[in-house]
Amino acid sequence: DGGITQSPKYLFRKEGQNVTLSCEQNLNHDAMYWYRQDPGQGLRLIYYSQIVNDFQKGDIAEGYSVSREKKESFPLTVTSAQKNPTAFYLCASSTERGYTGELFFGEGSRLTVL
Amino acid sequence: AQSVAQPEDQVNVAEGNPLTVKCTYSVSGNPYLFWYVQYPNRGLQFLLKYITGDNLVKGSYGFEAEFNKSQTSFHLKKPSALVSDSALYFCAVKGNTGKLIFGQGTTLQVKP
Repeated sequence: DGGITQSPKYLFRKEGQNVTLSCEQNLNHDAMYWYRQDPGQGLRLIYYSQIVNDFQKGDIAEGYSVSREKKESFPLTVTSAQKNPTAFYLCASSTERGYTGELFFGEGSRLTVL
Repeated sequence: AQSVAQPEDQVNVAEGNPLTVKCTYSVSGNPYLFWYVQYPNRGLQFLLKYITGDNLVKGSYGFEAEFNKSQTSFHLKKPSALVSDSALYFCAVKGNTGKLIFGQGTTLQVKP
């Protein structure tokens, strides 16, 4: 079945470590997104990519990095520069670049910094 | 400033009763509006959207939403709630920068 796969589902990290969250989609979508979800704050956009080899910062990009070398993959690295990385991270994709279409979300990755 | 507001953190309704989850927005121009649902520890699922046309939009699982331009609202409704509708609901609007702006979410609790 087509969809978005995020891994790992749960991740624990020590302070000072970088971690990479995987996001893979087989929907043939051009656009992909990373959101951060914190309780009571809704979703905040970290990075997005509308085409391979191109990506833009969202509203809270500091301390994060991404790459888009393949259409199917959009990994997110949470670096040690991110001051408060404990959160639920959601990857999404869309067939339409202008946010006029629906977003398809993965199941999320919960990162906890110990 | 562009924004989305969901004024209720939680909505409680008895099974079988109608439900409404409120959403108001602030963007210039014609808005693109969306509702998503999230079950615990899961990703969001698309319910419905308004782009243009009829102000009453029908979506998945029996949900519908009414666009009201004068009140800048896009309330989510369902005629008869189910216990399985209990979840976190997000309203979202396409902002003037082209990005999607999400509300903070409303927890819907449907009691048997």
